[in-house]
Amino acid sequence: EPEVTQTPSHQVTQMGQEVILRCVPISNHLYFYWYRQILGQKVEFLVSFYNNEISEKSEIFDDQFSVERPDGSNFTLKIRSTKLEDSAMYFCASSARGGDGYTFGSGTRLTVV
Amino acid sequence: AQSVTQLDSQVPVFEEAPVELRCNYSSSVSVYLFWYVQYPNQGLQLLLKYLSGSTLVESINGFEAEFNKSQTSFHLRKPSVHISDTAEYFCAVRFTGGGNKLTFGTGTQLKVEL
Repeated sequence: EPEVTQTPSHQVTQMGQEVILRCVPISNHLYFYWYRQILGQKVEFLVSFYNNEISEKSEIFDDQFSVERPDGSNFTLKIRSTKLEDSAMYFCASSARGGDGYTFGSGTRLTVV
Repeated sequence: AQSVTQLDSQVPVFEEAPVELRCNYSSSVSVYLFWYVQYPNQGLQLLLKYLSGSTLVESINGFEAEFNKSQTSFHLRKPSVHISDTAEYFCAVRFTGGGNKLTFGTGTQLKVEL
């Protein structure tokens, strides 16, 4: 069964550093998403991406965050200057159509120290 | 306001007993409904979904959920749980007209005991 692949599985970074989280969505999917889950809390939507542009973003997704699809297979989330409160599990997801089926990756646990 | 509520943060149950995990939503628009399962240190796996048609949907591992429009609920049930069902279960909703994003509930930790 096709999978969404995320790397790395765990990343530790110092406060103020830039991090890039990487995702390889399912190859024939057209819609891409990032979600995050702070420890012990619910999964929250960050951003959706379609046709090489952001289609929707939440209030969490401020100027510190950016997304990119640099080639035909990767989808990245960049956090420009990490804060302690950015520590969370970040999930990438993709869907073939807009909103009837989402496949999530296994997540990247980001720890900001 | 649109929201998703999972009232039970933890549900302990003995093996082979039935279980129901509750999910309610608040919306004035139509919805697509999903249940995801998260095993320890793993990602989110789709368990089942309701898009349209029959209000009762089933998964391959014995779970089922029923969409009740009048009660705005999508409760997850299993008639006989197994120890391997121990996991966190998330209800998620896509509200039509609200883009493609999913709104998640706070999750229910199902703990199956011998």
